[in-house]
Order: sequence, then structure tokens, then C-alpha cells
Amino acid sequence: QKEVEQNSGPLSVPEGAIASLNCTYSDRVSQSFFWYRQYSGKSPELIMSIYSNGDKEDGRFTAQLNKASQYVSLLIRDSQPSDSATYLCAVANTGNQFYFGTGTSLTVIP
Amino acid sequence: ETGVTQTPRHLVMGMTNKKSLKCEQHLGHNAMYWYKQSAKKPLELMFVYNFKEQTENNSVPSRFSPECPNSSHLFLHLHTLQPEDSALYLCASSQVGGLRDTQYFGPGTRLTVL
Repeated sequence: QKEVEQNSGPLSVPEGAIASLNCTYSDRVSQSFFWYRQYSGKSPELIMSIYSNGDKEDGRFTAQLNKASQYVSLLIRDSQPSDSATYLCAVANTGNQFYFGTGTSLTVIP
Repeated sequence: ETGVTQTPRHLVMGMTNKKSLKCEQHLGHNAMYWYKQSAKKPLELMFVYNFKEQTENNSVPSRFSPECPNSSHLFLHLHTLQPEDSALYLCASSQVGGLRDTQYFGPGTRLTVL
């Protein structure tokens, strides 16, 4: 069974701090990794994608991938109240099957 | 219209009703998906269509019936649903091929079964 595990939270950070979101996956042949943000009552919105080991930065967001440890993370620098949402980790293999975690709820406190 | 659109956005139906959800993608993608999202559960993949052909049906009850007339349109026909089918139903699309597939979601249909 392919599983994607995330801490459900809630994770609370003060405004301006770094928020760290973590995800582990069980399928070693996974090749594509994604972070989606989902506001309450809305659909998931793609934030980051990462395919190779290491870090990938996009503005205030940094995704980190370690395939040996089957671990992917998302760092949000200078957190803003507008970052308050649920963050979904998704993992895909060579096909187009996506597997999602249950999401981590983030609250940024002004 | 751009991206992935879904109608209706909200639907309330009785257990004996028949209704349909519609999804349309304007991204030129060749694959479309139906997901179910219930509280405290991961997104559940229901159906996958690649190039209009259904390639996945994750043990979804027959009271859910998908239809994909072309690569831009996807329907989910609903009949004799149960209250536990109440959830957010999300449509997504992607361009299949290579390792860089990314799925883009529509706004969802919030379904309530009475």
C-alpha cells in the first residue's frame, strides 16, 4: 500500500517566522513530489514541485527532497497570516497516479 | 475561461435523485481525474481518464458513473447516493508524459446527500 504521511497539526508559528512542514512516503519508486496549499472551502493549489534530491527555492518557499530517506519538506520563510491553510504533500510514480497525505494545518499568528 | 472549471459548485440531493457533475479543462491536457475529499481523510482518487480512456477505477461504487466524451470534458453521474457520499468532489487535469506531470484542480463541487 502506497502511503504518504504528514503530521496533521495544527502547526502554529508567529508572523515572520519559518514554518517547516514534513512529509514521508513509502513507495521507493516515487519520482515526482508536490506541495499543494488548500484554503478552507477551496480546492488545492500547486505551490511547489520537486523531482531531484536537494533544495528548490521559489520566493519564500523552499522544497527539500531526500529520496534515500523518503522524505520531502516545505519551508516557508517570513510566514504571513495569508499562509494560514492546509498544506498537502503529493507523491507520484512514473505513471500519473498521485498519492496525497492528509495535510498539515498551518496557522500564522499575527 | 481558464484552468479547470466545475459545475455546480454546490449540490444538495436526496438519496433517490439523479444528478451530474461537470468538469471542463482549458489547459490542453490529455488526462482528467475525479477525486473525493472527505474531512480528515486524504484525497481519494476515484477515476482516471487518459486520452478519453478510463484507466483507473479505484473500487468506486457503481452509484458513481463517469463519462469522458472528449479530452476537455468530464462528467460524474450520480444516482441513489448515500449520506456518506457527502463530500467535496474535485476534478483535476494533467498532461501525461515524462516525469513532470502536474495535476491542476478545479474549484470542486460540495455535495450534500440528505
